[in-house]
Amino acid sequence: AQSVTQLDSQVPVFEEAPVELRCNYSSSVSVYLFWYVQYPNQGLQLLLKYLSGSTLVESINGFEAEFNKSQTSFHLRKPSVHISDTAEYFCAVIGSARQLTFGSGTQLTVLP
Amino acid sequence: GAVVSQHPSWVICKSGTSVKIECRSLDFQATTMFWYRQFPKQSLMLMATSNEGSKATYEQGVEKDKFLINHASLTLSTLTVTSAHPEDSSFYICSAGQGAYEQYFGPGTRLTVT
Repeated sequence: AQSVTQLDSQVPVFEEAPVELRCNYSSSVSVYLFWYVQYPNQGLQLLLKYLSGSTLVESINGFEAEFNKSQTSFHLRKPSVHISDTAEYFCAVIGSARQLTFGSGTQLTVLP
Repeated sequence: GAVVSQHPSWVICKSGTSVKIECRSLDFQATTMFWYRQFPKQSLMLMATSNEGSKATYEQGVEKDKFLINHASLTLSTLTVTSAHPEDSSFYICSAGQGAYEQYFGPGTRLTVT
């Protein structure tokens, strides 16, 4: 079985400040991890994923996440956020039959 | 590429009626589609896994007779909420699997039962 814990339900941050959204996982199978972003009243968009290889993965819009096996973490970071980054962010782990298990989500609010 | 659509995006129905939601993969074939439910300010909960040409696999606690899933082709899965009640009001999201690990999500359907 697998589970995902997102410790912070809400993260307010000022524009151009750095941000870290925390995600911890547990999994009894091979670990494949994802970050998704959801804008209001929309579906989920894949932000980045870790399947294998380099433990540091990056997205096209400046986010990055590092897979840390010893700490069972996959925290999401961005060095400088924009107003447009305001959204709900979900960490997820994939299990058998390609089923995704999601964390409870973190609402990132970027303040001007 | 990898676009998934849902129709309708928003629906209001009266208690006791049935509502059908369509999920289509527009530019790829998906042997597996997933249906999720999301309550306000909450995470996505997997309802069922839909495989083309076979019966859907429902998660524990999901009534299969209430939430009918049909995956008739490699690009279309439908979710029918039968005899809808106000407590069925929610945001329903589908996703289509591609490859071993990828899932692409539809934009969601907001169901309100009055």
